[in-house]
Amino acid sequence: EVQLVESGGGLVQPGGSLRLSCAASGFTFSSYAMHWVRQAPGKGLEYVSAISSNGGSTYYANSVKGRFTISRDNSKNTLYLQMGSLRAEDMAVYYCARVERYSYGFGFRSDYWGQGTLVTVSS
Amino acid sequence: DIQMTQSPSSLSASVGDRVTITCRASQSISSYLNWYQQKPGKAPKLLIYAASSLQSGVPSRFSGSGSGTDFTLTISSLQPEDFATYYCQQSYSTSPIFTFGPGTKVDIK
Repeated sequence: EVQLVESGGGLVQPGGSLRLSCAASGFTFSSYAMHWVRQAPGKGLEYVSAISSNGGSTYYANSVKGRFTISRDNSKNTLYLQMGSLRAEDMAVYYCARVERYSYGFGFRSDYWGQGTLVTVSS
Repeated sequence: DIQMTQSPSSLSASVGDRVTITCRASQSISSYLNWYQQKPGKAPKLLIYAASSLQSGVPSRFSGSGSGTDFTLTISSLQPEDFATYYCQQSYSTSPIFTFGPGTKVDIK
């Protein structure tokens, strides 16, 4: 059974840092790209960051570029999101999601999601 | 960047109703369009991929159609467990930042 379990969320002051983790099981982690998606309270889904299966390519939304770093440890089946210079607008539930390629070209889908971890930014 | 819009932003419907949600992309995305369902406090769940392909385990009352810039999600006969928020998402991007639509909330009339 595929499982993604996020951890590391919590209360942090503006300007602070936090590292989120996503532990994967039930599939060959090193074969899949992974994404972080967030959802502010009462708001919609926002793409945050993506990483290729071997970690060699990373991508960021403009809203977090230069402040967040995505990484992965395929030996530990774990995805990370290092968040720095946190702002009030970064407060959200953060989800990790597995990305499956279903067709050549642009055929991607997020078929499994974790339960999310809440990041609260407040003084 | 490709922008996604959805209409309506919310709707009220009754059990048994046929419900249609529309998603529009700011440029052609071929059929690279996914639909997700999200219930309060839960993670999104993939319903439809490639605009019209039903994800494994998803009831057949859900269907998707469209290509290019205009897409629809249809629930043929709304069930109590279908009251949720629905998001479209494009994956037609060379950088894998796959933007979501703003969501459509379906609640009970």
